[in-house]
Amino acid sequence: SQQGEEDPQALSIQEGENATMNCSYKTSINNLQWYRQNSGRGLVHLILIRSNEREKHSGRLRVTLDTSKKSSSLLITASRAADTASYFCAPNAGNMLTFGGGTRLMVKP
Amino acid sequence: EAGVAQSPRYKIIEKRQSVAFWCNPISGHATLYWYQQILGQGPKLLIQFQNNGVVDDSQLPKDRFSAERLKGVDSTLKIQPAKLEDSAVYLCASSLFSADSPLHFGNGTRLTVT
Repeated sequence: SQQGEEDPQALSIQEGENATMNCSYKTSINNLQWYRQNSGRGLVHLILIRSNEREKHSGRLRVTLDTSKKSSSLLITASRAADTASYFCAPNAGNMLTFGGGTRLMVKP
Repeated sequence: EAGVAQSPRYKIIEKRQSVAFWCNPISGHATLYWYQQILGQGPKLLIQFQNNGVVDDSQLPKDRFSAERLKGVDSTLKIQPAKLEDSAVYLCASSLFSADSPLHFGNGTRLTVT
């Protein structure tokens, strides 16, 4: 198994701005998943992008995947205070998901 | 659909005591996971079941941790004896087929070992 590493570790923005989080990994993957975690809660699945896909959208979320660079990014557009949470990427290699340390996003009203 | 249920929500024990956590996954989900999340860190996979067989338990400290999945449905995770460094949130998750499908997480059990 292998771990995703998110960058930056922490991000603070104003409401209405866009937030970009990056993820790097080391080996070939089947897919890569992004999750959100609010304080004191479990993780919530956001998007799954397969290794043969380059970009995927879901509402205000846009995920890109570059398998040649072994990297992914999550863009949240027009952020809201409710987007304040930790965001984790999880590469899926060999049918196992491993999580990095996450990006802690704070959106100020 | 009902989500992943975990109990208890909180547990405080002294070191060297034993503790057990319970998880009821989403109905029909074949794969069940236990993760350990230490404060400020990402979740670390402890064990992954496919139906009632173990797919991976390479990061489970087997001298003190044990887990079982009863009849391919509910699961329990036990720690005996607990150490101070076991203080963490224990998250259970399930997915329909495997890690190729999204994981659904419970809200976790917060364990404090004193």
